Amino acid sequence: KNEVEQSPQNLTAQEGEFITINCSYSVGISALHWLQQHPGGGIVSLFMLSSGKKKHGRLIATINIQEKHSSLHITASHPRDSAVYICAVRPIQGAQKLVFGQGTRLTINP
Amino acid sequence: EAGVAQSPRYKIIEKRQSVAFWCNPISGHATLYWYQQILGQGPKLLIQFQNNGVVDDSQLPKDRFSAERLKGVDSTLKIQPAKLEDSAVYLCASGLTGNNSPLHFGNGTRLTVT
Repeated sequence: KNEVEQSPQNLTAQEGEFITINCSYSVGISALHWLQQHPGGGIVSLFMLSSGKKKHGRLIATINIQEKHSSLHITASHPRDSAVYICAVRPIQGAQKLVFGQGTRLTINP
Repeated sequence: EAGVAQSPRYKIIEKRQSVAFWCNPISGHATLYWYQQILGQGPKLLIQFQNNGVVDDSQLPKDRFSAERLKGVDSTLKIQPAKLEDSAVYLCASGLTGNNSPLHFGNGTRLTVT
């Protein structure tokens, strides 16, 4: 079993829909990252959080440390949101290394 | 602020050939990482440097992969000889020291081994 599991693996939705991507992890962490990867391959950091909730534009990230679970939400989704969304955790025991989930491929159709 | 620079952007080689990738991290970032991302999977850590010292290379296939960061700034990752299963995107990332420092990623090098 991977230390970081994401669901769903693939998600296709219509423009305007509310999107939720889930991440569960099995180790104690100091931080959790949500990353966005476009087809070109480059990775952009969306959020880094260790508790509660963060919001940036149409993106919202939440984390429940007790349940070892985080969600990424996209409101009013748009085709330009199509990308792979990756959850990565920084284990407490790990000297700053990141452990990645397998990613969720999101496709938003117009 | 300039981002993490990687080159080349793409590389196609035949199996058993050698290849090298280069990464220049953001200025002042002590921590540098090389990740391998096979198509359809999340990135996998190959090696982590803190300045010019290796912190973690437990998942680096040392019989064919090597990496160095001699002056604690830029880094090279080499594969010799390459195998078909090495086809992947190789990502470099850098960050400041500290558990809650964000990571900054380069655009990656897409390697195809034929």
